[in-house]
Amino acid sequence: KAGVTQTPRYLIKTRGQQVTLSCSPISGHRSVSWYQQTPGQGLQFLFEYFSETQRNKGNFPGRFSGRQFSNSRSEMNVSTLELGDSALYLCASSLASRTDTQYFGPGTRLTVL
Amino acid sequence: AQKVTQAQTEISVVEKEDVTLDCVYETRDTTYYLFWYKQPPSGELVFLIRRNSFDEQNEISGRYSWNFQKSTSSFNFTITASQVVDSAVYFCALSDSGGSNYKLTFGKGTLLTVNP
Repeated sequence: KAGVTQTPRYLIKTRGQQVTLSCSPISGHRSVSWYQQTPGQGLQFLFEYFSETQRNKGNFPGRFSGRQFSNSRSEMNVSTLELGDSALYLCASSLASRTDTQYFGPGTRLTVL
Repeated sequence: AQKVTQAQTEISVVEKEDVTLDCVYETRDTTYYLFWYKQPPSGELVFLIRRNSFDEQNEISGRYSWNFQKSTSSFNFTITASQVVDSAVYFCALSDSGGSNYKLTFGKGTLLTVNP
């Protein structure tokens, strides 16, 4: 079974731009979560989607948004990029229940200049 | 609020040594789940183990073993006879029973370097 895939793997943007990251979950998984990883803050939860609905949200500004499609694929968008948004963005998928194990993708490395 | 503490920021060992990574957690829930993930230099988080709060049995998987003690709120991870390929950052994580604020809370991670 294929794992979680994320595209693109690397991105370079400038301040003020916006960016869209994509995540395809493991086949059969219906829940997708997003995390931001930085050296200073570590791994922080962004949001979780299940059946095209946001089920939970972390403490991030409204510039961070996401959505999930009917095939469970998910995208996250960051608008008006700031230097501090430079990070590794990890997507994880799980079957359905909030307590199911999350399996992670390779991440998208975003650099904001 | 949930909290996971990995007090060891970095550990360096020589190949074949045993090494234990510590994890201490805080939660108000009686039902919760604990996880360990490995993050090699490639960046992908690799799932290692999941343990629920009602199962305190220790687990062994090859060279890996886990010691879960509710009395001390600890979930420690031991690698026996370490190998260079074990070099990575290891994260301990906690999730609650699935309430409205479900999420994985991660520790800061422990960088393990295994030298030949």
